Amino acid sequence: QSALTQPASVSGSPGQSITISCTGTSSDVGGYNYVSWYQQHPGKAPKVIIYDVTNRPSGVSSRFSGSKSANTASLTISGLQADDEADYYCSSYSASSTRVVFGGGTKVTVL
Amino acid sequence: QVQLVQSGADVKKPGASVKVSCEASGYTFTGYFINWVRQAPGQGLEWMGRINPNTGGTIYPQKFQGWVTITRDTSINTAYMEVSRLTADDSAFYYCARGTASHTFDLWGQGTLVTVSS
Repeated sequence: QSALTQPASVSGSPGQSITISCTGTSSDVGGYNYVSWYQQHPGKAPKVIIYDVTNRPSGVSSRFSGSKSANTASLTISGLQADDEADYYCSSYSASSTRVVFGGGTKVTVL
Repeated sequence: QVQLVQSGADVKKPGASVKVSCEASGYTFTGYFINWVRQAPGQGLEWMGRINPNTGGTIYPQKFQGWVTITRDTSINTAYMEVSRLTADDSAFYYCARGTASHTFDLWGQGTLVTVSS
């Protein structure tokens, strides 16, 4: 069981927007602005697409955006494209001895 | 270019140990943490610990304390992760990842598949 809770799957049609939630506690997501999101295509290493809740690394499409409210962070993908089909993981700093916790991952399907 | 290159796939017998290497290039090795993350087939990501290459200081989550050891050799810009007393449940991809001060993993190695089988 992962420390952060994500929906197992989310789907949408090309051009639509989808949102993936990531729920933790006040000891991780709610307590710090250290939430990251990673995209992982099959057979590839993860790639960071959002860091520090809302920031996008250079080269990442502006169609990806992040936000946070209380103990839940969210990743929104707008203008869904075929290449967005992948697994998405959230992570957060944790005040517990674990230090870094991940969500269980969300499989995004483009219909 | 800026990259992390890991050692190749390995097959081990139950009870053995495995050591995976992660060579950094294109940036100052001692300026960033090196983290290790594992992913069992079809499963999610799990943080195994990290090392500060500058000081050698390490942090492990409780689950991995005592049987995972992370080290580094600054002369060759390489970090290592050793898992002892392997079981079939340790069969997974093992990734090294560069960590920033805000605990973002901004650069990943290509992954190393470790298979534990008798």
